[in-house]
Amino acid sequence: NAGVTQTPKFQVLKTGQSMTLQCAQDMNHNSMYWYRQDPGMGLRLIYYSASEGTTDKGEVPNGYNVSRLNKREFSLRLESAAPSQTSVYFCASTKDRDKGLAFFGQGTRLTVV
Amino acid sequence: GDSVTQMEGPVTLSEEAFLTINCTYTATGYPSLFWYVQYPGEGLQLLLKATKADDKGSNKGFEATYRKETTSFHLEKGSVQVSDSAVYFCALTGLTGGGNKLTFGTGTQLKVEL
Repeated sequence: NAGVTQTPKFQVLKTGQSMTLQCAQDMNHNSMYWYRQDPGMGLRLIYYSASEGTTDKGEVPNGYNVSRLNKREFSLRLESAAPSQTSVYFCASTKDRDKGLAFFGQGTRLTVV
Repeated sequence: GDSVTQMEGPVTLSEEAFLTINCTYTATGYPSLFWYVQYPGEGLQLLLKATKADDKGSNKGFEATYRKETTSFHLEKGSVQVSDSAVYFCALTGLTGGGNKLTFGTGTQLKVEL
């Protein structure tokens, strides 16, 4: 009953460093998403993937890249981290027939100094 | 585009008090509406949903009614408990962007005290 698993849970980066956030789901969902959560801003969509091999930009894609490695895994990469990317990042997945029923990971708290 | 507006928090209540968290939306067509809850240190999880006008979603004592005439989906609970302390997000799925994706409000933090 793992659901959506994200790693790492916490990370501190220096400005300019790169890192990849990993996400995997075991529910056989086609659609996967990356959100960031900031105080007063709610959840904002960074990128999403409607199926293996496809990715699309969301509301705030600048400074990020994604890879849909296979049906299970969807990674988020920061090539050159900036303090403005300090946030809590959530991965989620949904069934095709009910895009409103999203399953979320526990989040990654990222601090860029 | 689609948007969700919900009341700012934090909302602080005593145990057994009545809870209302307001939510209004803007969307083309007929969106589905949701309330998600985020407990401390966790990801979001679905609390309840309604897919058409006048539907009432309910779960764990929480209720919300889809009001198309007022474009609202207010969350209510008759008697809150300390364990209800969390952040509550109103959300919708619409057709903006062609993907039928979730659009979230900014969240309302609820603190329930003894």
